[in-house]
Amino acid sequence: GAGVSQSPSNKVTEKGKDVELRCDPISGHTALYWYRQSLGQGLEFLIYFQGNSAPDKSGLPSDRFSAERTGGSVSTLTIQRTQQEDSAVYLCASSPHPGSGIGFFGQGTRLTVV
Amino acid sequence: AQKITQTQPGMFVQEKEAVTLDCTYDTSDQSYGLFWYKQPSSGEMIFLIYQGSYDEQNATEGRYSLNFQKARKSANLVISASQLGDSAMYFCAMREPNLGGSQGNLIFGKGTKLSVKP
Repeated sequence: GAGVSQSPSNKVTEKGKDVELRCDPISGHTALYWYRQSLGQGLEFLIYFQGNSAPDKSGLPSDRFSAERTGGSVSTLTIQRTQQEDSAVYLCASSPHPGSGIGFFGQGTRLTVV
Repeated sequence: AQKITQTQPGMFVQEKEAVTLDCTYDTSDQSYGLFWYKQPSSGEMIFLIYQGSYDEQNATEGRYSLNFQKARKSANLVISASQLGDSAMYFCAMREPNLGGSQGNLIFGKGTKLSVKP
């Protein structure tokens, strides 16, 4: 596609349920990033992919969070046993290659845990 | 310690006037990059402008310019001739080579909410 696409755009889930968030990066972009933005805050780095591998998982807040990327393209961020503090906007970004900085963000998935 | 500081939670500017959004950063690296993003109410992060630490000239992109003062570690965004559509959150970010920066990871400030008045 022309831009980074994220789905769903909004997700409301009950506490304790698992959720999957999807990101389709720009075609050909090898680097993919997940960020979390809580209300009124800046962006918090979660995880980075180079191709299908994730050399930097340092930002994942707990072992309930995991992510994978297949075919060097689509990525899924999974949150298990969701908690209310997981409520945030989850943003995905891609760039042509690492080190070029991040130029292209998706519109995000707004997750609300009730 | 906070790496990116944006001291203005909110700013107002009159349409057609210029406005400066402040950003200071903290790094011990010599090689780094500074970015500004715009986030309208739709939520998308829109890349505006980039300044490399070794760039001798201030970056400019249309109505956006970056006032880069390396010794002061500041990278203020200047928007000239403000338009109503400029109303949004603005985030300053830094890429640091030794902090995952070789992978392009960015550290973001908390943002400044700009409101343009007609």
